[in-house]
Amino acid sequence: SQTIHQWPATLVQPVGSPLSLECTVEGTSNPNLYWYRQAAGRGLQLLFYSVGIGQISSEVPQNLSASRPQDRQFILSSKKLLLSDSGFYLCAWSVGSGTTDTQYFGPGTRLTVL
Amino acid sequence: SQKIEQNSEALNIQEGKTATLTCNYTNYSPAYLQWYRQDPGRGPVFLLLIRENEKEKRKERLKVTFDTTLKQSLFHITASQPADSATYLCALDLFSGGYNKLIFGAGTRLAVHP
Repeated sequence: SQTIHQWPATLVQPVGSPLSLECTVEGTSNPNLYWYRQAAGRGLQLLFYSVGIGQISSEVPQNLSASRPQDRQFILSSKKLLLSDSGFYLCAWSVGSGTTDTQYFGPGTRLTVL
Repeated sequence: SQKIEQNSEALNIQEGKTATLTCNYTNYSPAYLQWYRQDPGRGPVFLLLIRENEKEKRKERLKVTFDTTLKQSLFHITASQPADSATYLCALDLFSGGYNKLIFGAGTRLAVHP
């Protein structure tokens, strides 16, 4: 069966510090991978998606970046965090070859920027 | 402008009653619509998917309707239980460019009281 991991679970970082959040998927090959951010009381905002290694598309311009160094690894990064980067970050995957498919979410990372 | 709206106020119902949650959207033409459940501090979990040519979909105590003319989906939980208490998110599935782009509503919090 497939599983998705995210770490860390929680993170408190000062403004201006770097960020690295990691997501890994097990039990599937060539998944589509997604990074979302959820602000309190808001819907999920798609940040990045990837359909393959090294293929990253950005949905929202910001000071965040994403990378996919391996098939089942997706990393969200920032060189300098802003207060507005606080939120709940979720990684998700879906079957790569489907015309439609459900997305399976990881447990999330709660980021607080102080 | 494009919008997806769910009742922002929490829905409080008595155990055993039917809960009905609403999802309205404007200026989108989704091929599919999905419903997810999200518990506090957790990632969303997929519940149901309904296609644009389907009027209704059922799964155990859950029922989803999809009216592309009204641009509305209704999500019903029959014989509700306290364990059904959670936030329910609707998501428009805009398959494009080889991946599923999901546009999420902010969610409706459901509280089922014994």
